[in-house]
Amino acid sequence: EVQLLESGGGLVQPGGSLRLSCAASGFTFTSFAMSWVRQAPGKGLEWVSAISGSGGTTYYAESVKGRFTISRDNSKNTLYLQMNSLRAEDTAVYYCAKSTYNWNLIDYWGPGTLVTVSS
Amino acid sequence: NFMLTQPHSVSESPGKTVTISCTRSSGSIANNYVQWYQQRPGSSPTTVIYEDNQRPSGVPDRFSGSIDSSSNSASLTISGLKTEDEADYYCQSYDSSNRVFGGGTKLTVL
Repeated sequence: EVQLLESGGGLVQPGGSLRLSCAASGFTFTSFAMSWVRQAPGKGLEWVSAISGSGGTTYYAESVKGRFTISRDNSKNTLYLQMNSLRAEDTAVYYCAKSTYNWNLIDYWGPGTLVTVSS
Repeated sequence: NFMLTQPHSVSESPGKTVTISCTRSSGSIANNYVQWYQQRPGSSPTTVIYEDNQRPSGVPDRFSGSIDSSSNSASLTISGLKTEDEADYYCQSYDSSNRVFGGGTKLTVL
């Protein structure tokens, strides 16, 4: 059974940093791309970032490019999102998601972790 | 960048059939797969249709997906509506440089 569990969310001041983690199990982690998708309170879904199975290829939404960095540790089956220069508009639930063989598509989602950017 | 446009909300009675549309603004809908995700209140999304019209195991066959090149749109159809189908539904597709979600459709079953 595929399991994804995010951690690291919380309250941070504007301009601050936070690192999210996602522990994955139940599948061959290195074989699949992984992503972060966020949802602002009461709003829709936004694909934030993705990384290939090897970690060699990454994707970022324009809204986070240059501020967020996605990475993965395949020896620990863990996905990360380093978030710097945080803004109020980054406030959202951040979901970890596993891609299908097509890294543009998602088949499993984690429960999410809430990031609140506020002074 | 292209956009995916969905109706903001739809409502229908239990037992009836509802169809939710997802129209692509540019680029052919048929060139890249469309997925549909269901998000019940307070929960994370789950995949109900993948690769245009495929159902993951565990998703009832009341759910179906289709593509219409003439209108450049995708559709999610739910038949035999149940109260448990009440949720937000999002379509999603991509091109060579972007992954895009539709704005979501709130389905009310009343």
